[in-house]
Amino acid sequence: DAGVTQSPTHLIKTRGQQVTLRCSPKSGHDTVSWYQQALGQGPQFIFQYYEEEERQRGNFPDRFSGHQFPNYSSELNVNALLLGDSALYLCASTWGVTDTQYFGPGTRLTVL
Amino acid sequence: AQSVSQHNHHVILSEAASLELGCNYSYGGTVNLFWYVQYPGQHLQLLLKYFSGDPLVKGIKGFEAEFIKSKFSFNLRKPSVQWSDTAEYFCAVRNYGGSQGNLIFGKGTKLSVKP
Repeated sequence: DAGVTQSPTHLIKTRGQQVTLRCSPKSGHDTVSWYQQALGQGPQFIFQYYEEEERQRGNFPDRFSGHQFPNYSSELNVNALLLGDSALYLCASTWGVTDTQYFGPGTRLTVL
Repeated sequence: AQSVSQHNHHVILSEAASLELGCNYSYGGTVNLFWYVQYPGQHLQLLLKYFSGDPLVKGIKGFEAEFIKSKFSFNLRKPSVQWSDTAEYFCAVRNYGGSQGNLIFGKGTKLSVKP
């Protein structure tokens, strides 16, 4: 039973560029949440997708957008990258919006 | 705004010492509570959770946590730590019910266990 998978593992971009991160949920899960974990901090909620719609959003600018596909996988897009966007981006999946969240290994994004 | 406070940034213990990591949250309503652990080089893993019922919750690897509603606390404990417990520990809170599915995390406590 595959857990949550994320790709790529690492990514290096320059300021102003755009990036797309991908997540496949754990088998049987239909809800995907994205978190940003800056160095030395706990994860911060970005948004959650359920039934291909954004259901909740944290305190992140519109530069952060996402998508969920019919197979429940999800993408996180960040436009106009800033140095401060450098972080570990975590995907978590659940069955339903209020079940226990299981996390993937994350994508380490470095913005130069 | 809701918040989660973890009182210790870095805890250093010798093997066989007892562990208690503090966690307090600010939300006054019904909550679900979680402790996650991140071992070096690995992803976040669920250690234990509290949804309802017995406020003393047992998790994996001998960890337990006690929910004290009057103190808004959910402290993590282990009677005897091992070198393999070296990791970063995160407390997280979620508002119960409705569409409030997102987790609010503390800043984490790094635990170093000396052999």
